Amino acid sequence: KNEVEQSPQNLTAQEGEFITINCSYSVGISALHWLQQHPGGGIVSLFMLSSGKKKHGRLIATINIQEKHSSLHITASHPRDSAVYICAVRGSNYKLTFGKGTLLTVNP
Amino acid sequence: DGGITQSPKYLFRKEGQNVTLSCEQNLNHDAMYWYRQDPGQGLRLIYYSQIVNDFQKGDIAEGYSVSREKKESFPLTVTSAQKNPTAFYLCASRGSGTGGQPQHFGDGTRLSIL
Repeated sequence: KNEVEQSPQNLTAQEGEFITINCSYSVGISALHWLQQHPGGGIVSLFMLSSGKKKHGRLIATINIQEKHSSLHITASHPRDSAVYICAVRGSNYKLTFGKGTLLTVNP
Repeated sequence: DGGITQSPKYLFRKEGQNVTLSCEQNLNHDAMYWYRQDPGQGLRLIYYSQIVNDFQKGDIAEGYSVSREKKESFPLTVTSAQKNPTAFYLCASRGSGTGGQPQHFGDGTRLSIL
């Protein structure tokens, strides 16, 4: 069993829809990252959080440490949000363990 | 602007050849990382370096080698011992601050076998 599980694997939405991507993990962590990978391959760090909730523009990330679960929400989705979203957890030695990613496609 | 530069973007290797992937950062970060990404799989750690002149094997180091002679540079050599080198390779770096810092990623190098 993978230590980091993401769902769904693929997600197709219409422009304007509210999007939720989920991440569950089975190990103790010091922080959780949400990353965005565009078709060209480069990766951008969206959030790093260890408790509660963070918001940046239309993106919101939440984490529940007791339930070992995090969600990434996108409000008012837009075609430019189409990308692979990756959840990664950081252990005590700063090493990251990655989920397999969620491919999001937002249609106009 | 500060960032991580990986080159080349695409690389082709013949059977039996060693190839070196470049990773340079101007973020003044101490730690640097190399990851491999295969379709349908999460990123996997190949090697990492916490400080100049020091590096450790990650989860899939066999068939790879690295050096860290300068703070800003962390080249990865894919040797002929790596039997399945076709993949997307990502370099990352991380600053050392209190509470931990997020990793910054390059744009990647796609390696293919001819």
